[in-house]
Amino acid sequence: SQKIEQNSEALNIQEGKTATLTCNYTNYSPAYLQWYRQDPGRGPVFLLLIRENEKEKRKERLKVTFDTTLKQSLFHITASQPADSATYLCALGTNTGTASKLTFGTGTRLQVTL
Amino acid sequence: DAGVIQSPRHEVTEMGQEVTLRCKPISGHNSLFWYRQTMMRGLELLIYFNNNVPIDDSGMPEDRFSAKMPNASFSTLKIQPSEPRDSAVYFCASSRQQETQYFGPGTRLLVL
Repeated sequence: SQKIEQNSEALNIQEGKTATLTCNYTNYSPAYLQWYRQDPGRGPVFLLLIRENEKEKRKERLKVTFDTTLKQSLFHITASQPADSATYLCALGTNTGTASKLTFGTGTRLQVTL
Repeated sequence: DAGVIQSPRHEVTEMGQEVTLRCKPISGHNSLFWYRQTMMRGLELLIYFNNNVPIDDSGMPEDRFSAKMPNASFSTLKIQPSEPRDSAVYFCASSRQQETQYFGPGTRLLVL
């Protein structure tokens, strides 16, 4: 069966360190993968998209890697700050011809402490 | 732009009652998605529309759930009759036929 796995345990790191979150999937052939941030009581907010033919994508302090052989994506936040504390969701995307459909992982909660 | 608008933000109802959730997508977006989020199951896609036409409703859990999109600026998700296990946060999202989806603030539903 199809499965998307993110570390269900919270990730606690110290301010200034690099946070690395993992997204593993099985029985999917996604056209792309996205990462979203979700704060308590709010909807997910898009952060980054990486396509199946791309290895790495960067945006400011964020970096995403995508290994379709390992079926894994890593999401890095460098020089982390307490404001980065949130839940981060990975989502696998498929293009159906009429719209793009996302399937989400359950998310990993990141806590950055001073 | 105001972003995706959902109403109500909170709904408390009794089992057996009808519940209607509303969504106004971002102007110019032609795809609309309804999701349900719970602690146990995470964020699940219920149904999505493209150009007001339902494309995939395979995520709708039961016949008690129905969704409509009468025009490009409005959609509803209806639960009738509601049950306690329907308690969750329901999100609406829209996109412009691109991969990025923009989510609303959600409706927190509690069925007693």
